Amino acid sequence: AQKVTQAQTEISVVEKEDVTLDCVYETRDTTYYLFWYKQPPSGELVFLIRRNSFDEQNEISGRYSWNFQKSTSSFNFTITASQVVDSAVYFCALILNTGGFKTIFGAGTRLFVKA
Amino acid sequence: EPEVTQTPSHQVTQMGQEVILRCVPISNHLYFYWYRQILGQKVEFLVSFYNNEISEKSEIFDDQFSVERPDGSNFTLKIRSTKLEDSAMYFCASRRTSGSSYNEQFFGPGTRLTVL
Repeated sequence: AQKVTQAQTEISVVEKEDVTLDCVYETRDTTYYLFWYKQPPSGELVFLIRRNSFDEQNEISGRYSWNFQKSTSSFNFTITASQVVDSAVYFCALILNTGGFKTIFGAGTRLFVKA
Repeated sequence: EPEVTQTPSHQVTQMGQEVILRCVPISNHLYFYWYRQILGQKVEFLVSFYNNEISEKSEIFDDQFSVERPDGSNFTLKIRSTKLEDSAMYFCASRRTSGSSYNEQFFGPGTRLTVL
């Protein structure tokens, strides 16, 4: 079965703290794609990053960084020096290389960043 | 930059009424999707559509739901007789290719459906 688990339902931090959002996925497929999306209070889904299963390089983009580890089936997301504007729900998602390429979302982690 | 658009942004309807949610996918995309997000919950796959037919659907997508691409640009989701539990945000998405190589799925801004 394919599944994405985000064990942290809510995280609350104070501005400028670093925070890591965990994501664990399950699939038997060897080819797949992992994503992170941000959902601000306005409700839209904002694409943050895509990783394919053959590329385990970690990535940094400004204050955001991602740690992909196939050995533990994890794709964690770290925000460095968090800001109030980072407050949102963050979804980890999985797409398999099957005919339909549907997206399987995790339950989401709600991040509160307090000033 | 091309984007997926959805109308209306918010729809309020009475239980038992039919609603049609509209989406305009990105013009050169071939795969289309609908997802649903009940308030405070995760985003769930409803249906995928390719070459004018449904390619996959979830158990949520029962006989009350239907999808259509009535012309070259719109992609619609119809709920025949809405129930209170259909209240949710509905996201449309599109993807460029049907080939084995993946291309990013682009999401629209969503339509919030409220059933009273």
